[in-house]
Amino acid sequence: EVQLVESGGGLVQPGRSLKLSCVASGFTFNNYWMTWIRQAPGKGLEWVASITNTGGSTYYPDSVKGRFTISRDNAKSTLYLQMNSLRSEDTATYYCTRATGRGYFDYWGQGVMVTVSS
Amino acid sequence: DVVMTQTPVSMSVSLGGQVSISCRSSQSLVHNNGNTYLSWYIQKPSQSPQLLIYKVSNRFSGISDRFSGSGSGTDFTLKISRVEPDDLGVYYCGQGTQYPNTFGAGTKLELK
Repeated sequence: EVQLVESGGGLVQPGRSLKLSCVASGFTFNNYWMTWIRQAPGKGLEWVASITNTGGSTYYPDSVKGRFTISRDNAKSTLYLQMNSLRSEDTATYYCTRATGRGYFDYWGQGVMVTVSS
Repeated sequence: DVVMTQTPVSMSVSLGGQVSISCRSSQSLVHNNGNTYLSWYIQKPSQSPQLLIYKVSNRFSGISDRFSGSGSGTDFTLKISRVEPDDLGVYYCGQGTQYPNTFGAGTKLELK
């Protein structure tokens, strides 16, 4: 059974940093791209970052480029999201997802809440 | 960025009924490789989204054949037949043809 378990969320002040983790199990982690998707309270879905199966390439939307860094440790089957210079608009539930290349997201974690507030 | 427009925003349905949700993209979703990366997701109350349909019309593993996807280019439809209580929630379409990946704003399906 595919499982994705996120951790590392919480309350953080604007301008500070936070690092999310996602431990994967039930599939061969290093065969898959992985992606973070977020959902602000009461809002829709927003793609945040993607990483290829080897970690050799990463992709971001303009809203987080230069502030967020996606990475992975294939030996630990773990995905990360380093978030710097956090803003109030980054407040959201962050989902770790398994991606089939760039096209779609077939498994989602339970999500982890990040609140950016003073 | 590709803008995904879903209609309606919300809809009410009777159990056993049929519904259609429309999703239109601001640009063609046909990729250079010939694939069309249009997918549908459901987010049930207090749950994470889950994949229903990928590449326009392919049902994900374990998804009932009551769900069907169709369309091409910029115009896509999700149909749900014989609606059951577990089908209620918010439906999102998403595109992965062009970066950044984008999603529609969602269609909330409620019981009449």
